[in-house]
Amino acid sequence: QQPVQSPQAVILREGEDAVINCSSSKALYSVHWYRQKHGEAPVFLMILLKGGEQKGHDKISASFNEKKQQSSLYLTASQLSYSGTYFCGTDVKAAGNKLTFGGGTRVLVKP
Amino acid sequence: NAGVTQTPKFQVLKTGQSMTLQCAQDMNHEYMSWYRQDPGMGLRLIHYSVGAGITDQGEVPNGYNVSRSTTEDFPLRLLSAAPSQTSVYFCASSSWQGDSPLHFGNGTRLTVT
Repeated sequence: QQPVQSPQAVILREGEDAVINCSSSKALYSVHWYRQKHGEAPVFLMILLKGGEQKGHDKISASFNEKKQQSSLYLTASQLSYSGTYFCGTDVKAAGNKLTFGGGTRVLVKP
Repeated sequence: NAGVTQTPKFQVLKTGQSMTLQCAQDMNHEYMSWYRQDPGMGLRLIHYSVGAGITDQGEVPNGYNVSRSTTEDFPLRLLSAAPSQTSVYFCASSSWQGDSPLHFGNGTRLTVT
């Protein structure tokens, strides 16, 4: 079952903040976040692991609530380059990367 | 390094035709996978492989076959194309560890008429 992302879309002015949420009904080992610009491939942003470890982007932060199986991605002081569709991918095992992706959140940052 | 290379970039097929989408990676990654992305939607896993000679089904495997004879290559075969298989197909690879990011190819846009 795929994770549920919210909101489905958000419009920001440059410099504003936003939060994107990802919720799963299964116990998770990791949550990945990717950004996809129109007509391009998804690009890795962050991995959050069970136990609190994080890896990835130094200007975008995220959290992982293991008890609730929820993750949030924080876009702080947004830049025009943050525009795109954000996907969370969830993995229930500690080996391999058999990710199940959410439906995506479209982000538009305006000047 | 080229990363993950997919060919072709675009393809138009007629219903019933077969074809193979190619995927190659030069990062010595054990794990490779195929996803399809339909307009306005997320990525759905078709098949994946955890190493040469080992493949398994994902969420939407029907109508597709894969093989993994080498670490580098992971082709996706459409057996008899249907309009429902019109989509963008992404190949991705990663190292085996569960804390490794997926590296995606640039995608193949397939239209079945």
